Amino acid sequence: GENVEQHPSTLSVQEGDSAVIKCTYSDSASNYFPWYKQELGKRPQLIIDIRSNVGEKKDQRIAVTLNKTAKHFSLHITETQPEDSAVYFCAASRNTGNQFYFGTGTSLTVIP
Amino acid sequence: DTAVSQTPKYLVTQMGNDKSIKCEQNLGHDTMYWYKQDSKKFLKIMFSYNNKELIINETVPNRFSPKSPDKAHLNLHINSLELGDSAVYFCASSLRQGTDTQYFGPGTRLTVL
Repeated sequence: GENVEQHPSTLSVQEGDSAVIKCTYSDSASNYFPWYKQELGKRPQLIIDIRSNVGEKKDQRIAVTLNKTAKHFSLHITETQPEDSAVYFCAASRNTGNQFYFGTGTSLTVIP
Repeated sequence: DTAVSQTPKYLVTQMGNDKSIKCEQNLGHDTMYWYKQDSKKFLKIMFSYNNKELIINETVPNRFSPKSPDKAHLNLHINSLELGDSAVYFCASSLRQGTDTQYFGPGTRLTVL
């Protein structure tokens, strides 16, 4: 089955700096890579996703890049704000699969 | 309108008791899931149902039994609760299996004393 690794497990940045979270996957058939944000005490919510026919996707301050050859994808948050503080999860799945394979999460703290 | 809802939000109970958590989605999705999130925040899938049929049953004690009376509902019944069952349980749904976005419920925090 798929194995998704996520790094770092914790990340602290100063407000206004950028944050990068990286994930690797093992199954070359995986073709969908969502990122979820979970604020303290809340549910995980999709913030951005990318499919394997695209190398990069942006949504305002958030971007995701995908390197299919190296089997890794990354979340980039620019101009971080205190409200970006949360746990971020990457995941991988494929069309014929039954589930998402989640990474172990990254706890991001943005220091004002 | 709430897309994926769970009840109860909090559940505090004694060891050995039996309890149920209910989940409902009004998105018209075919697939529903149960996840367990422990204190380390790991999201571990427990079960997946597609059109009321069990698709995934990860290594979960058979004290946990899911039931899907229809496509919009997936309930989780837990027998003989143990201390290690304390966690947050999330229900989720997606349009289909595979690569469709999963929408999570608000979670049920279960505390076993």
